[in-house]
Amino acid sequence: GAVVSQHPSWVICKSGTSVKIECRSLDFQATTMFWYRQFPKQSLMLMATSNEGSKATYEQGVEKDKFLINHASLTLSTLTVTSAHPEDSSFYICSARMGGGRYEQYFGPGTRLTVT
Amino acid sequence: AQKITQTQPGMFVQEKEAVTLDCTYDTSDQSYGLFWYKQPSSGEMIFLIYQGSYDEQNATEGRYSLNFQKARKSANLVISASQLGDSAMYFCAMREGPNFGNEKLTFGTGTRLTIIP
Repeated sequence: GAVVSQHPSWVICKSGTSVKIECRSLDFQATTMFWYRQFPKQSLMLMATSNEGSKATYEQGVEKDKFLINHASLTLSTLTVTSAHPEDSSFYICSARMGGGRYEQYFGPGTRLTVT
Repeated sequence: AQKITQTQPGMFVQEKEAVTLDCTYDTSDQSYGLFWYKQPSSGEMIFLIYQGSYDEQNATEGRYSLNFQKARKSANLVISASQLGDSAMYFCAMREGPNFGNEKLTFGTGTRLTIIP
């Protein structure tokens, strides 16, 4: 149980285009989802926290107009990287919490974005 | 100041030996939680073990145990009888404040563990 999927697993796009990444909790309802970014050989940095039906809370330094997050349902959150640039190339990982007192976050397999 | 410090960037351990991965943390909250995650080369983050700040017993999950020393603010991960499949990056993380549902995790820089046959 507690499986989180991400789609796509990797994507290459041209500079200036937008890319949407989906995060789904497959066998549980996720009251809260988190989006992280990980540069090569570095740790995970939280970008934003999203709760179903409300606006995402962005971490300091993360541009909300560039990284659009929509938590449309209890099983789906999307991250859209708008007008992508090469510096946005990174590994993006989502995680989901069950709620109901459960404490652990379950992570998706990640999406590798390369902007050319 | 770093909230989570992992001082071992890399470790090499002989198969079947036990290994301890260090983690120290910094928080002024009385209620907090500590996590360990494993990240294989494929990239996914795998939850290993959790310790709450009020838990009196050290957490254990199979071959994983967490050596929680609250006064020292350390939460070391111990892997017993290491296996080749344990080779991965290991991240220590902390949730500050009570467990209400949307608290973020702060991650350490990780330790790359390599098990030698």
